[in-house]
Amino acid sequence: AQSVAQPEDQVNVAEGNPLTVKCTYSVSGNPYLFWYVQYPNRGLQFLLKYITGDNLVKGSYGFEAEFNKSQTSFHLKKPSALVSDSALYFCAVRDLTGTASKLTFGTGTRLQVTL
Amino acid sequence: EAGVVQSPRYKIIEKKQPVAFWCNPISGHNTLYWYLQNLGQGPELLIRYENEEAVDDSQLPKDRFSAERLKGVDSTLKIQPAELGDSAVYLCASSLGVSGREETQYFGPGTRLLVL
Repeated sequence: AQSVAQPEDQVNVAEGNPLTVKCTYSVSGNPYLFWYVQYPNRGLQFLLKYITGDNLVKGSYGFEAEFNKSQTSFHLKKPSALVSDSALYFCAVRDLTGTASKLTFGTGTRLQVTL
Repeated sequence: EAGVVQSPRYKIIEKKQPVAFWCNPISGHNTLYWYLQNLGQGPELLIRYENEEAVDDSQLPKDRFSAERLKGVDSTLKIQPAELGDSAVYLCASSLGVSGREETQYFGPGTRLLVL
């Protein structure tokens, strides 16, 4: 069975500082990995994904994520945080060995960026 | 390009009443998903459609939940009768397909259901 862990319920960072939101995964085969962001009373917005290729994936709004197969991690990063980045972030994984496109989501990490 | 549209955005009903949610996916997206999101949790898949065929409904509580996508475009999710534990956000998502670059899922704003 596939699973995702987001070990931090909340991450606090000052505006202008770099941010990291952690994600680790477990699949039986090779993974597809995704990051989504959710603002209050909004649906999830796609940020970026890893399928194959370069381990560093660049996405929307200046976010990037690094796929690390040996550590089974896909941490979300941004060099300089903005107050407007404050939101709920979800990591998701799909096991490529499955035929169904079922995404398994983590429990989410709340990012709080302060002035 | 218009995103995934859902209605209503909010619904308050009494327990044992029926309720229905509507979703219009992104134009051209063949795959449609319904998710349940409880407070403080990530979304959980209820059902996935490929065009008008439900290809994964293993997580749908079929005693009270039903869904349809008659013409392979819009979809309706119904609960009858609703229970207190059904209070949650119901999210609809769509994707071009189910593999590779086509499988990125785009989500609607969700319907927040409160059962009293």
